[in-house]
Amino acid sequence: KNEVEQSPQNLTAQEGEFITINCSYSVGISALHWLQQHPGGGIVSLFMLSSGKKKHGRLIATINIQEKHSSLHITASHPRDSAVYICAAQKTSYDKVIFGPGTSLSVIP
Amino acid sequence: EPEVTQTPSHQVTQMGQEVILRCVPISNHLYFYWYRQILGQKVEFLVSFYNNEISEKSEIFDDQFSVERPDGSNFTLKIRSTKLEDSAMYFCASTTTGSEQFFGPGTRLTVL
Repeated sequence: KNEVEQSPQNLTAQEGEFITINCSYSVGISALHWLQQHPGGGIVSLFMLSSGKKKHGRLIATINIQEKHSSLHITASHPRDSAVYICAAQKTSYDKVIFGPGTSLSVIP
Repeated sequence: EPEVTQTPSHQVTQMGQEVILRCVPISNHLYFYWYRQILGQKVEFLVSFYNNEISEKSEIFDDQFSVERPDGSNFTLKIRSTKLEDSAMYFCASTTTGSEQFFGPGTRLTVL
């Protein structure tokens, strides 16, 4: 069983739509990461969460520690948001990050 | 803003050749990591490094792989005799106390 799961695997949205990507994990964590990977392959860290909610621009990340679940929301989606969004769990400080399979998002004008 | 850098961005090599992938972590970071991503698959952990020694390694990190911090700034991953299946994107990351892991842009390794 994968320790980090994501849904959906693929997502197509119209520009302007509100988008939600879900992540569930089976391990105890000290932090949960959301990352973005563009077609060129580079990874950009979006959020690191240990509780509650964080917001950066049009991106919002939430986490429910009891339910071992996190969501990434994108408001007013734009074609430039098209990328793979990856959820990743970190068990303890300084520990390796365990990556989920990613959600491929395509935002159509 | 400080960032992790990696060189080269793309490396093409012949099967059986040695390759060294280079990373410059953020200067005050103490913990270093290598990950890889085979095309179409998820990112996998290879190795973590702290205080000049390996702190954890995965099953992938066999005797063909080694890591080194040769000069206090660079962090290298060496593959001694590359195989076709080593073709992947390799990511370096670093962190320090209470910080998130910062990832480099990756090196795409192509083994022919």
